[in-house]
Amino acid sequence: QQQVKQSPQSLIVQKGGISIINCAYENTAFDYFPWYQQFPGKGPALLIAIRPDVSEKKEGRFTISFNKSAKQFSLHIMDSQPGDSATYFCAATQAGTALIFGKGTTLSVSS
Amino acid sequence: DVKVTQSSRYLVKRTGEKVFLECVQDMDHENMFWYRQDPGLGLRLIYFSYDVKMKEKGDIPEGYSVSREKKERFSLILESASTNQTSMYLCASSIDWLGYGYTFGSGTRLTVV
Repeated sequence: QQQVKQSPQSLIVQKGGISIINCAYENTAFDYFPWYQQFPGKGPALLIAIRPDVSEKKEGRFTISFNKSAKQFSLHIMDSQPGDSATYFCAATQAGTALIFGKGTTLSVSS
Repeated sequence: DVKVTQSSRYLVKRTGEKVFLECVQDMDHENMFWYRQDPGLGLRLIYFSYDVKMKEKGDIPEGYSVSREKKERFSLILESASTNQTSMYLCASSIDWLGYGYTFGSGTRLTVV
């Protein structure tokens, strides 16, 4: 039973474009939704996170949009750069449980 | 910065061997986790621990056990390694009670032959 569904599996974006990765969840008790970024040969690193009491959070070129009624959240990367090429994971959790991750999206930004 | 160190970057083991994967964190975090990462499957939770000597099963604990004798060290044990346990193993720690900003190690790539 997959509790966090992530799409697309892979994404190719031109330099300067907008990258969008989507996630959907099933458990309405989830109360924390982070995104992790992983470069080859490294462990995932926390990129940005949101709680369900807000609809959007922005940090630099990275924005999370959150739709509680649809049980969906997405990561937008504005002005995508080759250095953003990595694997991105969405995740979700509730108090008392460990993070549940999506299957990941491999982003390639072409120059 | 919090540092999570996994003792081996690459390991090759034979089928049936008992395998120990070690993880150490240096920031006095209460919680530690073991995930395995496989292409197309994402990160799947094997075990986690929220205190010394305490452990909880994750989604895929079969074939694995864990040990946490000291706060800073969390070991993953493959009792009898099998080829389907060939994978990338990632250890993580967090300061908060289960969740909220994990710090991951760089991973151990285990190959079972």
